[in-house]
Amino acid sequence: AQSVTQPDIHITVSEGASLELRCNYSYGATPYLFWYVQSPGQGLQLLLKYFSGDTLVQGIKGFEAEFKRSQSSFNLRKPSVHWSDAAEYFCAVGGNSGNTPLVFGKGTRLSVIA
Amino acid sequence: GAGVSQTPSNKVTEKGKYVELRCDPISGHTALYWYRQSLGQGPEFLIYFQGTGAADDSGLPNDRFFAVRPEGSVSTLKIQRTERGDSAVYLCASSLVGGNTEAFFGQGTRLTVV
Repeated sequence: AQSVTQPDIHITVSEGASLELRCNYSYGATPYLFWYVQSPGQGLQLLLKYFSGDTLVQGIKGFEAEFKRSQSSFNLRKPSVHWSDAAEYFCAVGGNSGNTPLVFGKGTRLSVIA
Repeated sequence: GAGVSQTPSNKVTEKGKYVELRCDPISGHTALYWYRQSLGQGPEFLIYFQGTGAADDSGLPNDRFFAVRPEGSVSTLKIQRTERGDSAVYLCASSLVGGNTEAFFGQGTRLTVV
């Protein structure tokens, strides 16, 4: 069965510092991988996705993620965090049929301090 | 419309009552998904429609929950005999059909059963 683990429930970083949010997945074939961000009272917004090809993917708002098959990981990174990045971040995995429903992790809440 | 629209945004109902939650997907998206997000958790899959038919309803928790999409566009999630444990945010998403697609989420309906 598919599963996603986000080991960090809550992370606090200083504004301007770098960020890495961890995501590990379990899936029997090549997965489709996603990172979504959810701000309070808002819906889920897609940050980036990996389907195939280059294992380093660029997303919106300066985020990137790297797919590492050997580690079953898809960690999200940003070199310099802005206060507006404070939100809940969800990693998700889907099957390669393209329409397989997503399995989400429990999320990592990011707080940004001055 | 421009995005996935869900109504109402908030719904408070008494235990035992029947509720309907509506989802209006992005025009032209034939795939539609319902997820449920409890406090502090990631979204959990409920049901997936391809056109008018439910392609996968394995996430529905019990027979009090069912969903329809009679014309292949708008979908309604129906919950009978609501229980306090049904309180959550119900998210709808839609996507194109085929490989390398991504799901776009609505802002959700927050259901509170008192």
